Amino acid sequence: DVVMTQTPLSSPVTLGQPASISCRSSQSLVHSDRNTYLSWLQQRPGQPPRLLLYKISNRFSGVPDRFSGSGAGTDFTLKISRVEAEDVGVYYCMQATQFPWTFGQGTKVEIK
Amino acid sequence: EVQLVESGGGLVQPGGSLRLSCAASGFTFSNFWMNWVRQAPGKGLEWVANIKHDGSAKFYVDSVKGRFTISRDNAKNSLYLEMNSLRVEDTALYSCASMERWGQLQAWGQGTLVNVSS
Repeated sequence: DVVMTQTPLSSPVTLGQPASISCRSSQSLVHSDRNTYLSWLQQRPGQPPRLLLYKISNRFSGVPDRFSGSGAGTDFTLKISRVEAEDVGVYYCMQATQFPWTFGQGTKVEIK
Repeated sequence: EVQLVESGGGLVQPGGSLRLSCAASGFTFSNFWMNWVRQAPGKGLEWVANIKHDGSAKFYVDSVKGRFTISRDNAKNSLYLEMNSLRVEDTALYSCASMERWGQLQAWGQGTLVNVSS
């Protein structure tokens, strides 16, 4: 199975400041169709997960442009340019290149 | 409005069975792959299984293979998860999630809680 490792596991951030989360996979996430199926999801407290980004850097419908994704192969990053109060929650990376699909452990973003 | 509503969870003894359902509305269900994802209390997300639009392909995480069966009824806009030989470690909130394009779990239900305990 592909192991997804996120760092940090906790990220205290000042409102208006940037935040960055790293996700590393144990194998390349480049699919045989040449796409890289790495997505990022946000889970606010008490809520189901919400898709933020897919195929590394594509924002899903309705996602603010302060969220961005980058990376390739086995190393990926989610950046929040200016953290807002509504961004508090746990962020997960997920790979859908190889079955079984796997998630990172989650990174908790909280306000300092 | 897209809605996914899970039901069928509850308390069951180890070795027991449950059938979860996910009722979909607000989108063309038969055009979407569907997934089950679970979250143990206080833990992270674990993908469990998914099924192709027409039910012709199904995939599972190893830990549930041979015990869980995913199925769907497009006429009823419904997704199911038949769970047998349940174990304590299957205790979790089970959520269904829709997927129009590969790897994009775009809509999620609130989940139904499965508690396996003696």
